[in-house]
Amino acid sequence: GAVVSQHPSWVICKSGTSVKIECRSLDFQATTMFWYRQFPKQSLMLMATSNEGSKATYEQGVEKDKFLINHASLTLSTLTVTSAHPEDSSFYICSARGAGQSYNEQFFGPGTRLTVL
Amino acid sequence: GIQVEQSPPDLILQEGANSTLRCNFSDSVNNLQWFHQNPWGQLINLFYIPSGTKQNGRLSATTVATERYSLLYISSSQTTDSGVYFCAVDNTGFQKLVFGTGTRLLVSP
Repeated sequence: GAVVSQHPSWVICKSGTSVKIECRSLDFQATTMFWYRQFPKQSLMLMATSNEGSKATYEQGVEKDKFLINHASLTLSTLTVTSAHPEDSSFYICSARGAGQSYNEQFFGPGTRLTVL
Repeated sequence: GIQVEQSPPDLILQEGANSTLRCNFSDSVNNLQWFHQNPWGQLINLFYIPSGTKQNGRLSATTVATERYSLLYISSSQTTDSGVYFCAVDNTGFQKLVFGTGTRLLVSP
């Protein structure tokens, strides 16, 4: 149980284009999902919290117009990196808050490696 | 915000050895999780342990919330245990996990 998937697993794009990353909870409903960013050999940093049916809340320093988050259903959240630039290249990881007995745990997707040329 | 420090930063073990990883945090927490990030980047849940002691096979963890630290024990290590171990805490009540600095473990045959 508590499986989270992400798509795509990796993407290469040209500078100035937009990229959408999907995060799905496969076997449970997730009212809350989270998006993290990880640079090489560094820790994970929380970017935003995504709640189903409401606007995402962003951490300080994260540009909400650059990183658009949509949580349209109880099993899907999307992150769109708009007008991507090389400095946006990173490993993006989503997580979902568990359900039932696992409500206080987060379960993570496999991550999406974004390279902007 | 809350600070989370892990030690040691790097650890090299021979297969079969035991190890203890430490996570110190600067404020009281209501959530603490341990994760293993494998070489492909996937985070694997090890323990949800805001307090107390838990065991799962060769792994066990203890959190002493009043003293603001948690320990992860790995016994009889295997090469598949290699990767980075993170602890992550939340002190907001909104599940906003703050990740520690990580311990990079390499288990050699």
